[in-house]
This record gives sequence, structure tokens and C-alpha cells, in this order.
Amino acid sequence: GQNIDQPTEMTATEGAIVQINCTYQTSGFNGLFWYQQHAGEAPTFLSYNVLDGLEEKGRFSSFLSRSKGYSYLLLKELQMKDSASYLCAVLRQYGNNRLAFGKGNQVVVIP
Amino acid sequence: KAGVTQTPRYLIKTRGQQVTLSCSPISGHRSVSWYQQTPGQGLQFLFEYFSETQRNKGNFPGRFSGRQFSNSRSEMNVSTLELGDSALYLCASSKDRGLINEQFFGPGTRLTVL
Repeated sequence: GQNIDQPTEMTATEGAIVQINCTYQTSGFNGLFWYQQHAGEAPTFLSYNVLDGLEEKGRFSSFLSRSKGYSYLLLKELQMKDSASYLCAVLRQYGNNRLAFGKGNQVVVIP
Repeated sequence: KAGVTQTPRYLIKTRGQQVTLSCSPISGHRSVSWYQQTPGQGLQFLFEYFSETQRNKGNFPGRFSGRQFSNSRSEMNVSTLELGDSALYLCASSKDRGLINEQFFGPGTRLTVL
């Protein structure tokens, strides 16, 4: 199976930077996704990393270290609309249940 | 471009019944995946369909099944409903198969089993 761990909740101030961590254990790793989900809404895609390193996309960046089984999502210049749950998901190359999600990290942005 | 649509949006059933949920992907998307989301277990992958064939599946019992039609629309069926099946069922579409592509989620069907 796959084990994916994310912190449950964090609070940050508008304009600040927040780092959301995700650690995983899996076999046949084939990439890691980050999704954003606002309360009562469907998840929306943020990023996909399959190679080590940092990928930047506007205010959001995602980092992956395959050897450490670790990824983080970096949110810069936080805005109130960034209050949401951030889900990491790990994809395997083979087997059942190839795509597994973490429980999500609820980020609360305060003024 | 219209997004992913799911019907119905809300559904109430009783234990032992069966239910069919429908998903229409974004035009041109050929892969449809289904997910179950509950407060306790989070988001869990059910299965993926591409070209009318199930390509990947999660760890759910055989009571959960699906199919995909030639127009890429997909249905999911749950038979012999249990209280624990109460959840938000999401479908997502992507252009190609394999789960590595960006997926676009629909609004979900909220199923309540009494």
C-alpha cells in the first residue's frame, strides 16, 4: 500500500509564506500531485512533480525529493482566497490503488 | 468550454438499495476517474475508465462498479448500499489515460444512505 502523511491544519497571515509538507512511502513511484480544495467545492489541480527539484508556478511552488519521500507546496504572498485544504496525491506505476491521496492540510489565512 | 458535470447532485437512499451516478467529461476528454470522499478517509480513488475500458482501480469491493460509453460519458454503480457508503462521489476527466495528466473534477454527487 501507500502511506501519505500531511499535517492536519495550519494558520497563516495574509501576505505571508506558508509551506505545506507531504511525506510518503510507496513502491514504483510515478509522480506526486498537489490539489487545492475549497470547502464544499471540487479539488482543482495545482502541480505534478515526477523529478526532483522545485517547480514554480506563479505564487505557488512545489518541491519533490524522491530519495526522501518528501514534497512540499509553497504558497507565497498569501491571500484570503488561499484558505482551503491542500491535498497531496502519490501515483504508482503499477498495481491496484495506483493513486492515493493524503488527508489534506487545512490552511486558514487570517488578516 | 463546459466543465465536468455530474448528476444527480444529491441523492438519498436506504441500506440495501443500489444507485447509479452519472458523469459527463469535458468535451474531448477521454479518461474519466471516480473518487469517494469522506471526512474520515479523505479522498480515495475508485477507478479510471478510458476508451470504454477500466484501466486502473482502487481498493474498493466489487459492489462498486462502473462503465464508460463511446461518447466518454461514465456511470458508477453501487449495489447493496451500506451506511458507510455515504460520501461525496467525485468524477474527474482528463485528455488522456494513465492518471498522470491534470484532472478536472466535477462538483460531485452527495450520497446519503439511511
